[in-house]
Amino acid sequence: EVQLVESGGGLVQPGRSLRLSCTASGFTFGDYAMSWVRQAPGKGLEWVGFIRSKAYGGTTEYAASVKGRFTISRDDSKSIAYLQMNSLKTEDTAVYYCTGTRGYYDSSGYYYFDYWGQGTLVTVSS
Amino acid sequence: QSVLTQPPSASGTPGQRVTISCSGSSSNIGSNYVYWYQQLPGTAPKLLIYRNNQRPSGVPDRFSGSKSGTSASLAISGLRSEDEADYYCAAWDDSRYVFGTGTKVTVL
Repeated sequence: EVQLVESGGGLVQPGRSLRLSCTASGFTFGDYAMSWVRQAPGKGLEWVGFIRSKAYGGTTEYAASVKGRFTISRDDSKSIAYLQMNSLKTEDTAVYYCTGTRGYYDSSGYYYFDYWGQGTLVTVSS
Repeated sequence: QSVLTQPPSASGTPGQRVTISCSGSSSNIGSNYVYWYQQLPGTAPKLLIYRNNQRPSGVPDRFSGSKSGTSASLAISGLRSEDEADYYCAAWDDSRYVFGTGTKVTVL
């Protein structure tokens, strides 16, 4: 069974840091790009950023709203993705979802897999 | 802030067909694939459509996607009560992944 479990959320003061973890199981973690998506209370989805698989360089991309403050990393040996959040602002308050995606071709055609965790709430408030 | 525009709401009675639009630009929908997600109340989003019109395993064929130019649409045929949810389109825009503003579908 595929599982993505986020942890590390909670209440944090503005300007402080927090690190979220996403522990994966049930699929070959190293083959997947790992992303973080957030959803502020009562609002829509916002992409935070992602890290490519090692096969595609393991590089990262970020939304403009978090670039320079947030860092995504991965430990393929432990099947864990991380979101390091620094200089937190009240507008970073949201449920943070971890997602894993992989698309590939084989002789039968194109396959695409997309998994989501249940999310972890981050509240930035004094 | 979102660069993909969706109607805030849509509704229909059971059995009806409902269509949700998603309007973008040449840098996102116009040059990349469109994805659609369903978010049931209190749950994480779930992929419904990838590459404009492909359904992952397990997604009923009542859900279909299409794309034309810089717009895309999601159609739900044979609407059912369990389809009441928020729906989001998404696409790559350069190296950013952008979501639509979201559409709440109500089953009357």
